[in-house]
Amino acid sequence: DTAVSQTPKYLVTQMGNDKSIKCEQNLGHDTMYWYKQDSKKFLKIMFSYNNKELIINETVPNRFSPKSPDKAHLNLHINSLELGDSAVYFCASSQEPTSGGASFFGPGTRLTVL
Amino acid sequence: GENVEQHPSTLSVQEGDSAVIKCTYSDSASNYFPWYKQELGKGPQLIIDIRSNVGEKKDQRIAVTLNKTAKHFSLHITETQPEDSAVYFCAATRSGSARQLTFGSGTQLTVLP
Repeated sequence: DTAVSQTPKYLVTQMGNDKSIKCEQNLGHDTMYWYKQDSKKFLKIMFSYNNKELIINETVPNRFSPKSPDKAHLNLHINSLELGDSAVYFCASSQEPTSGGASFFGPGTRLTVL
Repeated sequence: GENVEQHPSTLSVQEGDSAVIKCTYSDSASNYFPWYKQELGKGPQLIIDIRSNVGEKKDQRIAVTLNKTAKHFSLHITETQPEDSAVYFCAATRSGSARQLTFGSGTQLTVLP
């Protein structure tokens, strides 16, 4: 199936730990994103990559570091996890950064920090 | 930056009735307006979108209207069914913004059988 996939779907961890979330898209899109959805369902962009190059970096703590090994993958690494990092993280992709192409979202990773 | 406001936050309708969700945006340069449906435990799914050179777009029971002058756009769902129950998000973006979507706060639609 053509899609945006994320692993893991659920992630439960202790404060202070480091964790990673992986994302892959097989849609052939050039641009990938990470969004954070808080407990009130509000969706906010965190990062955007175009052809492996970072083009958007919203006000996100330095503990969050995205990495794009190739244009089909965008991983999110989080250092020194805090309680406030608990949220659902969505990866998304789109065809072009400047014109056309809707964003397609992955199924989400629910991160719970204890 | 762009700011998108969405109303209402919750909406309950009887099966078969119509539902309307409204959004306003602040950036007059925004030119692409998608709507997403998010079911419980899933990611947002694009259901319809509209570009600024079009005033209305329909896809079966779903339609979106855009008023560029007033900077608002609306989602219309006719003949609602229980499976339409979900959270709906509007969003706005403009060319050159790397499709950085600014989302509304979401509407929880409940279709009562």
